[in-house]
Amino acid sequence: DIQMTQSPSTLSASVGDRVTITCRASQSISSWLAWYQQKPGKAPKLLIYKASSLESGVPSRFSGSGSGTEFTLTISSLQPDDFATYYCQQSGTFGQGTKVEIK
Amino acid sequence: QITLKESGPTLVKPTQTLTLTCTFSGFSLSTSGVGVGWIRQPPGKALEWLALIYWDDDKRYSPSLKSRLTITKDTSKNQVVLTMTNMDPVDTATYYCAHRQKWYPFDYWGQGTLVTVSS
Repeated sequence: DIQMTQSPSTLSASVGDRVTITCRASQSISSWLAWYQQKPGKAPKLLIYKASSLESGVPSRFSGSGSGTEFTLTISSLQPDDFATYYCQQSGTFGQGTKVEIK
Repeated sequence: QITLKESGPTLVKPTQTLTLTCTFSGFSLSTSGVGVGWIRQPPGKALEWLALIYWDDDKRYSPSLKSRLTITKDTSKNQVVLTMTNMDPVDTATYYCAHRQKWYPFDYWGQGTLVTVSS
């Protein structure tokens, strides 16, 4: 099974900060990676697919990059609505999540 | 407009079998490429993918839970059913169903249903 490892587990940041979350795969997955945002009590929301493609309706401050085994999700200027938990996913495996909290 | 909604018991006893139904609208599971999956999330923990069924009845299961899971579809009713046998308190979680197209991640999700396993 492919394992997905996210870092950090928790990230403290302020509004306006540039934020980067990393996801590493235990073996190459080409560009088959998605990123989701989840807020408490809500279902996850798809942000990025195929590593760098922005889902329709998602603000352009979100971007994804990477291929092979290392991927990043970047929020260029953190907004109040962005405080949430973020998950990467490859096929049947999710990462363990990164909580972005207010500094 | 695509919507999905999970239904089933909120409380099951250990060793019992859980049956969850996902009722959806806005798409058909007879359309080429379409799939519906189940994902769960224990309280305060990460997402875990469970199972997936495609329009052509191709079924995929989490390797760690495969022996306990069965996924089926009823295209005429726009429903997907997940059964999980031998429930244990560690299976307490919010269970989500979600839509996907082949080669594309889960883009529409249900609201989730919390299932508690307790005697």
